[in-house]
Amino acid sequence: QKEVEQDPGPLSVPEGAIVSLNCTYSNSAFQYFMWYRQYSRKGPELLMYTYSSGNKEDGRFTAQVDKSSKYISLFIRDSQPSDSATYLCAMSAGAGGTSYGKLTFGQGTILTVHP
Amino acid sequence: DAGVTQSPTHLIKTRGQHVTLRCSPISGHKSVSWYQQVLGQGPQFIFQYYEKEERGRGNFPDRFSARQFPNYSSELNVNALLLGDSALYLCASSWSGGYNEQFFGPGTRLTVL
Repeated sequence: QKEVEQDPGPLSVPEGAIVSLNCTYSNSAFQYFMWYRQYSRKGPELLMYTYSSGNKEDGRFTAQVDKSSKYISLFIRDSQPSDSATYLCAMSAGAGGTSYGKLTFGQGTILTVHP
Repeated sequence: DAGVTQSPTHLIKTRGQHVTLRCSPISGHKSVSWYQQVLGQGPQFIFQYYEKEERGRGNFPDRFSARQFPNYSSELNVNALLLGDSALYLCASSWSGGYNEQFFGPGTRLTVL
């Protein structure tokens, strides 16, 4: 079983839709949670960064973390064609031990927003 | 400000050869991490360096090695290349090793024939 599971999709929605992307994880040591966006043949771009449980909003993006359920989500409101990309969740246990600095990624969800 | 830069953009090697990939972090960042991303998968952690010391290592064979220079730039070396080493190699920069907000470069696409 992978430490981080992410539905690869693909997910296709019309412009203006609300998009929900999700990841589950098994390692209870994870404390830091991130969402990255990756366009084709580019490096991942950091969208959201959260610590522990709770919600964080940035413009059209909202990240939610539920550590009790080991479940994180990213919501995109008023989706645009320019949001079409692969979305990667990533997690880290922090600075301690052999996992120092290590981000563990899901396999990514391919999102297409059509006009 | 310039982001993370990587060179070369892409390269083609044959099995058994050696390759060196280079990364320059964001100005002021002292930590560099390396990741391997195979097509259709999320990035896999290879190494993290902070203040020129290895601080973290992923589950990769000893054919993979890295180092960080006094100016905080870094090299990733891969010896005895295998077909399975074909991937996008990503470098990520962060302010410190334990600070987890990592910013990625565009990657180097390696093809092993």
